[in-house]
Amino acid sequence: GAVVSQHPSRVICKSGTSVKIECRSLDFQATTMFWYRQFPKQSLMLMATSNEGSKATYEQGVEKDKFLINHASLTLSTLTVTSAHPEDSSFYICSANPGDRGHLEAFFGQGTRLTVV
Amino acid sequence: QQQVKQSPQSLIVQKGGISIINCAYENTAFDYFPWYQQFPGKGPALLIAIRPDVSEKKEGRFTISFNKSAKQFSLHIMDSQPGDSATYFCAVPKPGNTPLVFGKGTRLSVIA
Repeated sequence: GAVVSQHPSRVICKSGTSVKIECRSLDFQATTMFWYRQFPKQSLMLMATSNEGSKATYEQGVEKDKFLINHASLTLSTLTVTSAHPEDSSFYICSANPGDRGHLEAFFGQGTRLTVV
Repeated sequence: QQQVKQSPQSLIVQKGGISIINCAYENTAFDYFPWYQQFPGKGPALLIAIRPDVSEKKEGRFTISFNKSAKQFSLHIMDSQPGDSATYFCAVPKPGNTPLVFGKGTRLSVIA
């Protein structure tokens, strides 16, 4: 299957600092990528849709100024958590769909565990 | 409004037994029904998926049963093994877009 790589897998940062998470599609191009957030023992919640060459689309209740998304190329999307606070500590996961097969083939990165201290 | 309702929340099965997880959906326009498996600290991985034009799909020990009239689909894990212990999510595509909307998940524990 297609490969989506996420980096870093774990990060600890101080409150008030910013953290960047990368999501790469290694063997396919993705005009759209998705960012999810998952709290312990809970489901994945869609945060935003990352669109190559245009602005991201955020889900209701997600602060776009806090969670900056950049999709500068067909294989890379980045999520920057700005001015992080302990309540931002969570598991962040990206996904992408290869080619024009749409939602039939959604592949996920390995996730990034963010801890804000 | 919850797009998909998953049950049970947790499940304990003896090794060799059958694990059954259910999902119910509302929107009859959905045309893709995947199940994902997630181990702790990892991203979810596609396990098996079905389209609504068939009632059942089997891949090894994993089977999806689909009931279009009842708007339900279920995952059956035959001969459950301790290595199957994980969290399982059903999902449906978000209407009008391609991201998936996930059920709340089922934590499966297979005990020897």
